[in-house]
Amino acid sequence: DTGVSQNPRHKITKRGQNVTFRCDPISEHNRLYWYRQTLGQGPEFLTYFQNEAQLEKSRLLSDRFSAERPKGSFSTLEIQRTEQGDSAMYLCASGGTEAFFGQGTRLTVV
Amino acid sequence: EDKVVQSPLSLVVHEGDTVTLNCSYEVTNFRSLLWYKQEKKAPTFLFMLTSSGIEKKSGRLSSILDKKELFSILNITATQTGDSAVYLCAHEPPGTYKYIFGTGTRLKVLA
Repeated sequence: DTGVSQNPRHKITKRGQNVTFRCDPISEHNRLYWYRQTLGQGPEFLTYFQNEAQLEKSRLLSDRFSAERPKGSFSTLEIQRTEQGDSAMYLCASGGTEAFFGQGTRLTVV
Repeated sequence: EDKVVQSPLSLVVHEGDTVTLNCSYEVTNFRSLLWYKQEKKAPTFLFMLTSSGIEKKSGRLSSILDKKELFSILNITATQTGDSAVYLCAHEPPGTYKYIFGTGTRLKVLA
């Protein structure tokens, strides 16, 4: 499979727990994005990497969210002290001119 | 703040109908506008538009941009049930790396 791969596909966690998601981009893509999508809404930008450098981060992103892309390959998104409002689909995308999305990780905070 | 507005929010048609989906944008500067189709999970790329008046076409789908009037349309001819999806429009502002998405148009095609 040469597309964008995200793991896990689903995650259920208790409020207050930390969670980490992984994204493996298309191998030749140096641009990597994280988005969040809730029901009935379009994807909302969270952060952007070019290779290993995090070049842009949404002002809406709280300090509980952190993302890394060591060595410019895969990326991780960590959410600390999860809240019910964090429940959403977390989408990763990679690309050159246009972005190609993974299947997403659906997070449910109970 | 840059904004993307899509209409209608939802649409139900019968197989064989032609549909037109609308995307208007209010942006301070323009770089590109993109269309995606989202069926279950991952949005899949359809078109990127940067120039006004040039139609992009892929099979039964086509799209065009009007930079003067700040809108784009996505046309689907001879619709099929497999076209049922949410169609997302996104703007890519210059000087940033993000896409700003609209809320999407939910299209349902009945057999």
